Amino acid sequence: EAGVAQSPRYKIIEKRQSVAFWCNPISGHATLYWYQQILGQGPKLLIQFQNNGVVDDSQLPKDRFSAERLKGVDSTLKIQPAKLEDSAVYLCASSSITGVSNTEAFFGQGTRLTVV
Amino acid sequence: AQTVTQSQPEMSVQEAETVTLSCTYDTSESDYYLFWYKQPPSRQMILVIRQEAYKQQNATENRFSVNFQKAAKSFSLKISDSQLGDAAMYFCAYRSIMDMRFGAGTRLTVKP
Repeated sequence: EAGVAQSPRYKIIEKRQSVAFWCNPISGHATLYWYQQILGQGPKLLIQFQNNGVVDDSQLPKDRFSAERLKGVDSTLKIQPAKLEDSAVYLCASSSITGVSNTEAFFGQGTRLTVV
Repeated sequence: AQTVTQSQPEMSVQEAETVTLSCTYDTSESDYYLFWYKQPPSRQMILVIRQEAYKQQNATENRFSVNFQKAAKSFSLKISDSQLGDAAMYFCAYRSIMDMRFGAGTRLTVKP
């Protein structure tokens, strides 16, 4: 089965510019996550979708970050305007939920963002 | 919010030896899963092993096993017969229906 696809792999922008990341989860996976991973740290959950609804966005800096998953499949994460501290790897993951059972999340290769 | 704590930023092990990575978590939920993920320099997160909270039996996957102590909220990973390819960042993760959180990670070095 195809894995989680993310693009672009790398992005360099100047501060105050905007940027968007794209994620295509594994087919049929209802749950989609966006994580921010700063160098040397663990992934920090930004937002979790269940189909096209938001389950948790408590750690998303909503003044500059936005995310959507309009048709319950692909998702985009946008930063506008970017700050230097947004430099990180942005990971997308997806998982399926069957009844009350949870499965592991499958990750994409991430997008490395550098803000200069 | 649930928290996951990995108290060992770095660990090293001699090739063919055994190493244990520690993880503790905090939750008030009863239905959850715990995972260990490996992240090599390529950044791809790879699942190593998982444990369902309702199962008392510790999970095992080849050279990888866990020691799950539910009452203590502890979930350690044991790697036996360590290999050079095991060198990576290891992340402990907690997942419930509402949430999936990671620890800060442990960098494992394997010495030949």
